[in-house]
Amino acid sequence: DQQVKQNSPSLSVQEGRISILNCDYTNSMFDYFLWYKKYPAEGPTFLISISSIKDKNEDGRFTVFLNKSAKHLSLHIVPSQPGDSAVYFCAAAGNEKLTFGTGTRLTIIP
Amino acid sequence: NAGVTQTPKFRILKIGQSMTLQCTQDMNHNYMYWYRQDPGMGLKLIYYSVGAGITDKGEVPNGYNVSRSTTEDFPLRLELAAPSQTSVYFCASRRGLSFRFEQFFGPGTRLTVL
Repeated sequence: DQQVKQNSPSLSVQEGRISILNCDYTNSMFDYFLWYKKYPAEGPTFLISISSIKDKNEDGRFTVFLNKSAKHLSLHIVPSQPGDSAVYFCAAAGNEKLTFGTGTRLTIIP
Repeated sequence: NAGVTQTPKFRILKIGQSMTLQCTQDMNHNYMYWYRQDPGMGLKLIYYSVGAGITDKGEVPNGYNVSRSTTEDFPLRLELAAPSQTSVYFCASRRGLSFRFEQFFGPGTRLTVL
């Protein structure tokens, strides 16, 4: 039972344009959501997070939106840069643990 | 700070062998976690610990054991390795403040069981 889903395994975006990565969850008990970025042969690194009491959190080029009624969150990257090419995981927090999605591989085309 | 360190980086095991994956963090974090990542999949939680002497099972604990005798170290033991345990293993830690859920990850150990 996949409680956190990232339905797009891959996404290609032109440099300078907006990248939008999506994530859906099924467990309404999740109260905090995070995005992680992962380069090959490295561990995931924390990118941005949002509490369930908010609907938007912004940090530089990265913005996370949360729609609780739809159980959906998205990560917007604008403008996209070549260094943003990586695998992005969304994660949901509950009971001191994180549940991860399967990841979306983002490729930024120069 | 070195953050979260894991050894070894790579290992090949034969079926039935045992090994311990080491994980150490120098951030004085209370919470530590072990995950495995299979190709095309997300990270699955194997075991976690909320402090020295306290461990609990995650989503996929079968075939693994852990111990937490100090705040810094959280080794993962594989007994009787099987091909299904071929994966990349990540250790992570977290401070434990209720409003901060960010986990810090090590670089991973790539394990192949033949």
